[in-house]
Amino acid sequence: KNEVEQSPQNLTAQEGEFITINCSYSVGISALHWLQQHPGGGIVSLFMLSSGKKKHGRLIATINIQEKHSSLHITASHPRDSAVYICAVRPTAYFGNEKLTFGTGTRLTIIP
Amino acid sequence: NAGVTQTPKFQVLKTGQSMTLQCAQDMNHNSMYWYRQDPGMGLRLIYYSASEGTTDKGEVPNGYNVSRLNKREFSLRLESAAPSQTSVYFCASSARDRDTEAFFGQGTRLTVV
Repeated sequence: KNEVEQSPQNLTAQEGEFITINCSYSVGISALHWLQQHPGGGIVSLFMLSSGKKKHGRLIATINIQEKHSSLHITASHPRDSAVYICAVRPTAYFGNEKLTFGTGTRLTIIP
Repeated sequence: NAGVTQTPKFQVLKTGQSMTLQCAQDMNHNSMYWYRQDPGMGLRLIYYSASEGTTDKGEVPNGYNVSRLNKREFSLRLESAAPSQTSVYFCASSARDRDTEAFFGQGTRLTVV
């Protein structure tokens, strides 16, 4: 079993829909990252969380440390949100990002 | 401000050939990383460098060498490429701090035939 599990693996939705992508992990962590990867493109950091909730524009990320679970929400989804969303965790007590463990990603497609 | 720049973007090698992937960052970060991304798998760490002059093995270091030339540059070398090294490679950097984001390059798609 992977230390980081994402669901769903693939998600197709209509433009305007509210999107939720989930990430569950099995180890104690000090931080969780949400990353975005466009087709053929690089990887961009969206959020880094250690507790609670963060919001950037239409994107919201939440984390529940006790339940070892995080969600990424997209409100009013748009075709330009189509990308792979990757969750990564840093195990407790590690210093720096060299011990990040990555999920396999959720491929999101937004249809106009 | 270019962030993390890696070259080349695409490369095809024959089995046994060598090549070096270049990576440079302009954010004055201490830590730099090389990852590979394969279908159905999460990013896996090949090597990392916590500071200039130091390098450490990650999860999948076999068949690779690295060099932290200075604070800005961190290169990845394949001495004798194998088809199993066909992958997309990403360089990343971050500040040497617990609560810090990682910044990634655009990736290098390498095919070994």
